[in-house]
Amino acid sequence: DSGVTQTPKHLITATGQRVTLRCSPRSGDLSVYWYQQSLDQGLQFLIQYYNGEERAKGNILERFSAQQFPDLHSELNLSSLELGDSALYFCASSRGRDRVGTEQFFGPGTRLTVL
Amino acid sequence: AQSVTQLDSQVPVFEEAPVELRCNYSSSVSVYLFWYVQYPNQGLQLLLKYLSGSTLVKGINGFEAEFNKSQTSFHLRKPSVHISDTAEYFCAVSSFSGGYNKLIFGAGTRLAVHP
Repeated sequence: DSGVTQTPKHLITATGQRVTLRCSPRSGDLSVYWYQQSLDQGLQFLIQYYNGEERAKGNILERFSAQQFPDLHSELNLSSLELGDSALYFCASSRGRDRVGTEQFFGPGTRLTVL
Repeated sequence: AQSVTQLDSQVPVFEEAPVELRCNYSSSVSVYLFWYVQYPNQGLQLLLKYLSGSTLVKGINGFEAEFNKSQTSFHLRKPSVHISDTAEYFCAVSSFSGGYNKLIFGAGTRLAVHP
């Protein structure tokens, strides 16, 4: 158990819909990262938040957004969903902002299926 | 730009046999290297990491990896595998570029241990 929790575990929805994925980092971790894992794209970094502020952006679509709240939990919002958004979404957390070589601790993931 | 290539998408092996999972990276700056394991229906877990110092790194569950700067490789090895080692293994490189620390993953190698 990494200490990172994600809800829900599974989510099934229809195209065009909007969903929210939730992540609680390990106690004391200030950085939260979101990743998307799909068969064709592999594991891709989406976005990082540090202590409530957006820190870095990766391959995140404009239809997707995220935020980190004062209690440090984070939410990833996916809107106007398409079939291709079906994937496993991971949240990870780390202690600091982004010191190189810092270990990231991963949650169990949310499996999103768009029908 | 940094990239990670895992040379084998699948590696089948018999129980108690040795295994090597290959990883090559490309980077023009200092690199920090990681191996993560993903068991079925779980998140990623850190196996080991190389930040500096000895090029032979020992990790959990009997795994080790050797950093080879001249060959830009970070291959993962285990002298005798168990059925429970069946999982997907990801090599990742961490480096600071574009103003933030990025963790870039390879495509993964699926290790299948057979009795």
